[in-house]
Amino acid sequence: DAGVTQSPTHLIKTRGQQVTLRCSPKSGHDTVSWYQQALGQGPQFIFQYYEEEERQRGNFPDRFSGHQFPNYSSELNVNALLLGDSALYLCASSSNLADRYGYTFGSGTRLTVV
Amino acid sequence: EDQVTQSPEALRLQEGESSSLNCSYTVSGLRGLFWYRQDPGKGPEFLFTLYSAGEEKEKERLKATLTKKESFLHITAPKPEDSATYLCAVGGTGRRALTFGSGTRLQVQP
Repeated sequence: DAGVTQSPTHLIKTRGQQVTLRCSPKSGHDTVSWYQQALGQGPQFIFQYYEEEERQRGNFPDRFSGHQFPNYSSELNVNALLLGDSALYLCASSSNLADRYGYTFGSGTRLTVV
Repeated sequence: EDQVTQSPEALRLQEGESSSLNCSYTVSGLRGLFWYRQDPGKGPEFLFTLYSAGEEKEKERLKATLTKKESFLHITAPKPEDSATYLCAVGGTGRRALTFGSGTRLQVQP
């Protein structure tokens, strides 16, 4: 059973460019959350999608946007990239039993902005 | 605002040397306290959820405990394969987000 799949694994972009990251959730999961993890820090919540709608958003600017598709897969878009956006972006999927069984995280996309 | 502080930042143990990791938290309405393990280049892997003070959970050499202000992850007779970063997170009532601490990097030497 495949877990959470994220693509690409690594990405290098130039300041001001736009980027799209992709996530396929674990089979049976219908909720997708995105987190940003800077080097040496814990993950920070960006937003969560359920039934194709943004259910909650963390303290991130509008340059960060997302989408969830009918098959539960999700995209994270970041516009006008800044050097500070360099980080590991993690996708986590869950069912309605997330608290009991935890979120399943992908291995992430390492984004470097130069 | 929910906050999580983990200590120590890094811990080096000899194989078989037991120790504890600390997670201090503040949250308005605890939905759950979560422990995750993260290996280099990987995403976090779920270990435990604790819901209320006094609760304990065990898995192999790991035991997690919870008070109203702290959680401890006790590692008994660790092995080199227990080397990883251990992350603590809290979820607040009515909020979807998890707030993570910065983690404790554990290194177990043979």
